[in-house]
Amino acid sequence: ETGVTQTPRHLVMGMTNKKSLKCEQHLGHNAMYWYKQSAKKPLELMFVYNFKEQTENNSVPSRFSPECPNSSHLFLHLHTLQPEDSALYLCASSQDTAYAEGGELFFGEGSRLTVL
Amino acid sequence: QKEVEKDPGPLSVPEGAIVSLNCTYSNSAFQYFMWYRQYSRKGPELLMYTYSSGNKEDGRFTAQVDKSSKYISLFIRDSQPSDSATYLCAMSPLNTGNQFYFGTGTSLTVIP
Repeated sequence: ETGVTQTPRHLVMGMTNKKSLKCEQHLGHNAMYWYKQSAKKPLELMFVYNFKEQTENNSVPSRFSPECPNSSHLFLHLHTLQPEDSALYLCASSQDTAYAEGGELFFGEGSRLTVL
Repeated sequence: QKEVEKDPGPLSVPEGAIVSLNCTYSNSAFQYFMWYRQYSRKGPELLMYTYSSGNKEDGRFTAQVDKSSKYISLFIRDSQPSDSATYLCAMSPLNTGNQFYFGTGTSLTVIP
């Protein structure tokens, strides 16, 4: 396993369901992120964890609940979502959250979420 | 308020063409400028980055930053079908920890 791995790749859920997205990074990074990618919109930063501690929550609705049990794993728990939450959810990691020369986000392939 | 704007797309060009992708921004605090490439059904990957105004070249790719005009560009020479992807500009004010601001992305198709 290399890089950033996300599961599931595709998820269809009803508005009353509860599901979780999982992300795992094998890069030894200290920071992990959740981004939302919707058509014709910029990537939206949702949550940031640095050394397992949440450092950013960009006004994300409470129906999205992140969990970071260790520096290698990140979850996004989903409940009572709305159809407008349908999007590609991207997990990323970086060495740390303070940008140094060549600082870079490493993205997973994303989880495509459809809310019916 | 949008932090990052981009020129309209998508783009479709013949193989071998020179491609120009652009983004404008409004926040003068941005100091770190990046271009990410995203292939279909994949996550974005860093293509190039630069800290200052001017040009940076890497093979067929040149990144250009004009801080006075708040404008960044990515040029692709001798474009190849394998360059077909969505290109995302991103920028950040340094020393704020973790705020990347992304553009909406430009879809590029290079026709053989």
